[in-house]
Amino acid sequence: EAGVTQFPSHSVIEKGQTVTLRCDPISGHDNLYWYRRVMGKEIKFLLHFVKESKQDESGMPNNRFLAERTGGTYSTLKVQPAELEDSGVYFCASSQVASGANVLTFGAGSRLTVL
Amino acid sequence: AQSVTQLGSHVSVSEGALVLLRCNYSSSVPPYLFWYVQYPNQGLQLLLKYTSAATLVKGINDFEAEFKKSETSFHLTKPSAHMSDAAEYFCAVSDPNTGFQKLVFGTGTRLLVSP
Repeated sequence: EAGVTQFPSHSVIEKGQTVTLRCDPISGHDNLYWYRRVMGKEIKFLLHFVKESKQDESGMPNNRFLAERTGGTYSTLKVQPAELEDSGVYFCASSQVASGANVLTFGAGSRLTVL
Repeated sequence: AQSVTQLGSHVSVSEGALVLLRCNYSSSVPPYLFWYVQYPNQGLQLLLKYTSAATLVKGINDFEAEFKKSETSFHLTKPSAHMSDAAEYFCAVSDPNTGFQKLVFGTGTRLLVSP
């Protein structure tokens, strides 16, 4: 089966511009997560979708970040306007069931560089 | 709140030597604990997990970890390092009561393996 796909793999933008990151989860996985790793720091939870609904968005840093999941399939994470501190690697993960022994399958990440 | 501390941002070993990557956690409830690995240009891959069953957990590629409640530790070991083990390793904790898959990660340890 195809894994979790993220693109772009790397995006370089100027401060104040807008960037949209996309995640395609494994087919049939209702749960989709976004995490972020700022350079040299820990990977932090951003939010969790169950199908098209936001289950938990407690990790979203501020209102410059907007996550959507159209029709419960792929998800996008938009940063508008981007700031220098938004640079980092954004990971997407998915799972079939958000409990028990199921684990997350992560994508390779989208590296964002804000200049 | 939960937290994870990984001692050493970089660990260097020779091929064939013992690998020991340290992880200490803080949690107010019995936690679930995980080790993930990220190879270059790939996503995070689960190595092993502890979910309150056996305290010694065996994972893929001969890695294992032991949950020690008294020491709040979950160190990762491998008896003999291979060149292919060179990667970044992340320890993570979750609270079974609030979401099995809402992970709190450490800052990661990069394992370097020399011939």
